[in-house]
Amino acid sequence: DAGVIQSPRHEVTEMGQEVTLRCKPISGHDYLFWYRQTMMRGLELLIYFNNNVPIDDSGMPEDRFSAKMPNASFSTLKIQPSEPRDSAVYFCASSFRGYTEAFFGQGTRLTVV
Amino acid sequence: DQQVKQNSPSLSVQEGRISILNCDYTNSMFDYFLWYKKYPAEGPTFLISISSIKDKNEDGRFTVFLNKSAKHLSLHIVPSQPGDSAVYFCAASRSTDTGTASKLTFGTGTRLQVTL
Repeated sequence: DAGVIQSPRHEVTEMGQEVTLRCKPISGHDYLFWYRQTMMRGLELLIYFNNNVPIDDSGMPEDRFSAKMPNASFSTLKIQPSEPRDSAVYFCASSFRGYTEAFFGQGTRLTVV
Repeated sequence: DQQVKQNSPSLSVQEGRISILNCDYTNSMFDYFLWYKKYPAEGPTFLISISSIKDKNEDGRFTVFLNKSAKHLSLHIVPSQPGDSAVYFCAASRSTDTGTASKLTFGTGTRLQVTL
């Protein structure tokens, strides 16, 4: 398996624009997580899904953030409108049955100017 | 409120010596703890874990110690190698009633540099 695949690897956008980050989890994994990494807060969980259903979105910072998982092999994290403070590295991770060894993608480095 | 804390942002250790990375947590409901390792431009990778029913878990050069009363865990790397230079994240989780742990709370990371 190729592991968790995220796209794009880098994204530079202007403030106010919509940004969509994509994730393909490992086949057979039923949990999917979106994390954000910043210097100040480290890795923060934004939202996670179980069997494509959002379970906990309490980490989503604002209504500008939304996430979907239309099927078991694809998820998106959308920011609309984007702001400079959203600049961070966003990671997607997946795991089997929620056991804690989550496998992470390589991340998307988002820069909002 | 940071429930998992890594108070040392960086650590430098000489090759061959022991590296000790520390982590404190505040939520007494956490019952499973992990260490992840992260190289630049890559995602974190799982390193080692420990359940709250144990106080030590060893895997090769890596040992994790858990002190539940102090809400403290540490990762020991012996001997340290230059390839160990990375950012190490401590993480904690709480098992659900079904026995699975559904999400991880991470610390802010400690950057380890192993020098020659």
